[in-house]
Formats: sequence, C-alpha cells, structure tokens
Amino acid sequence: DQQVKQNSPSLSVQEGRISILNCDYTNSMFDYFLWYKKYPAEGPTFLISISSIKDKNEDGRFTVFLNKSAKHLSLHIVPSQPGDSAVYFCAASEVSYEKLTFGTGTRLTIIP
Amino acid sequence: EAQVTQNPRYLITVTGKKLTVTCSQNMNHEYMSWYRQDPGLGLRQIYYSMNVEVTDKGDVPEGYKVSRKEKRNFPLILESPSPNQTSLYFCASSFLRDHMGKQFFGPGTRLTVL
Repeated sequence: DQQVKQNSPSLSVQEGRISILNCDYTNSMFDYFLWYKKYPAEGPTFLISISSIKDKNEDGRFTVFLNKSAKHLSLHIVPSQPGDSAVYFCAASEVSYEKLTFGTGTRLTIIP
Repeated sequence: EAQVTQNPRYLITVTGKKLTVTCSQNMNHEYMSWYRQDPGLGLRQIYYSMNVEVTDKGDVPEGYKVSRKEKRNFPLILESPSPNQTSLYFCASSFLRDHMGKQFFGPGTRLTVL
C-alpha cells in the first residue's frame, strides 16, 4: 500500500516558468514532510521540508505547501532553471522520525 | 568533506553468493539507514539504526541483515542474494537531535544478481 503517492511520473516546464510538483499521502499520522532532489548517479539530497503545524514554507525559489485536510502537498519552483532538471521525491515521517516513507518520484525536465 | 560513502558502487554477482555493501559516514551521525530504489516504487527503507548496537526493520527487511558495531559504519549484508534483490541501494545518515527525516545520502550501489 503506497502511503505517499506522486501521480505524475514526469513533468516538463519551460525555463523561467513555475514548476509545480504534487504529492498525496494517506497516513494521517505523518507529522513531517520533505522533498528530496536526485540527479543521475547521485544520492538524493534534501531540498525543503514542512512540519504539519504549518501550511507553507519558503526557501529561495522553492516553496512547499501543505493541505492537511486534503492530505496533499506541493512543491513550487519559481523561476525554473535548467539545473532544476532532476527526479524529485516527496517523503513523510511520523512524529518518531525513525522511518521515512518516500513517494515514487517525479522526473522534472526544464526546457531551455 | 562531510559525506556518506558506499562500496562498491557497482556489483554483479550470482544467486546465493554472500555479499556485503559497506557504508561509512564521517559526520558523527547517530542515525543510519538503508534504502532500495526500484522503478515505479520509489525508495523503500530496508533497515535503520538509531545508534551503535541498535537496529530495526524498515519496510522491506526480508533477505537482508545489518550490523552497527561502530557509529560510523553500517554494512548491509545479503547472505544469499536472489535476483529480486537486483536494485539500486542507498545508505543515509543524520543526527537524531534535528533529524525529522533530513538525511544525508550516499551515492548509491547498483547491484545485479544473476
């Protein structure tokens, strides 16, 4: 049972435009949500996170939005740059933070 | 340089031949974990460790063993590998105090079991 879902396997966006990546979850015990970015032949790297007590967190060009009632979060990248082309994983953890549950990933391609 | 290292990076082996993938971190992290990445399934946690001599099962532990004798090392052991363990494996680590899922990942080990 996939508790964290990323329904779009791929997304293409023009350089300079906004990229919106979506993630849905089913486990209401999830307390903390994260986005990781992965380039080919490298391990994932932490990008941005949000606690369940917030609905928005910003870090430069990256903003994560959390809608707890809909069990949905999204990552906005504005403006999109060619270096943003990567696979993005949504992840979630319960309050114990012992285990991370990842989504299946979305491959983002920024078109110059 | 702060990093998580894994060895080997690539490995082709045959069914039943025991193997170990090493993982080492130089950041004095308490928490370490192993994941496997498979197409269409994302990353799934195999085992994790909160500290030395403390390990626990993740979501897909069958067929794997781990040990945590030292803080910096967390090897993944496949006693009798099978073709369904062909995958891309990642080791990760973090501090416990500000953990909240923010983990540092190694570069990955691509394993093929024939």
